[in-house]
Amino acid sequence: GAVVSQHPSRVICKSGTSVKIECRSLDFQATTMFWYRQFPKKSLMLMATSNEGSKATYEQGVEKDKFLINHASLTLSTLTVTSAHPEDSSFYICSAAGGSANEKLFFGSGTQLSVL
Amino acid sequence: QQQVKQSPQSLIVQKGGISIINCAYENTAFDYFPWYQQFPGKGPALLIAIRPDVSEKKEGRFTISFNKSAKQFSLHIMDSQPGDSATYFCAASEGAQKLVFGQGTRLTINP
Repeated sequence: GAVVSQHPSRVICKSGTSVKIECRSLDFQATTMFWYRQFPKKSLMLMATSNEGSKATYEQGVEKDKFLINHASLTLSTLTVTSAHPEDSSFYICSAAGGSANEKLFFGSGTQLSVL
Repeated sequence: QQQVKQSPQSLIVQKGGISIINCAYENTAFDYFPWYQQFPGKGPALLIAIRPDVSEKKEGRFTISFNKSAKQFSLHIMDSQPGDSATYFCAASEGAQKLVFGQGTRLTINP
């Protein structure tokens, strides 16, 4: 199946710093990628839809200035958590549509963010 | 209308038994219904998916049953093994794009 690579897998940072998470589609081009957030033992909540070459679309309640998304190429989307605070600590996961007709959604391995 | 309701929240099955997880949706525009398996600290892995034009799809030990009129679908894991112990999520979307996830089921297979 299609491979989505996410980096880093784990990051610990101090409060007030910014953290960038990368999501790459390794063997296919993805015009659209999605960013999810997952709290411990909870389901995945969609944060935003990342569109190559255009602005991201954010879900209701997600601060676009806090979570900056850039989709500069067909294989790379980045999520930057700006001025991170402890409440931003979470598991962040990206996904991209793949398959012969973009009929399947594949996920990265996730990034565990811990803000001290 | 965007919700996908999943049950049970947790499930314990003996090795070799059948694990059954159920989901219900409300949005009739949904046309893509995948199931994902997630291990702790990892991203979800696509197990199997179905479109509403078929009532059942089988891949190995995993089967999706789909009831369009009832707006329900379920995952059956045959001959469940300890390695199947994980959290399972159902999801739904219009096309394989903006997925709405169920609440998740923590499955434990006892040896």
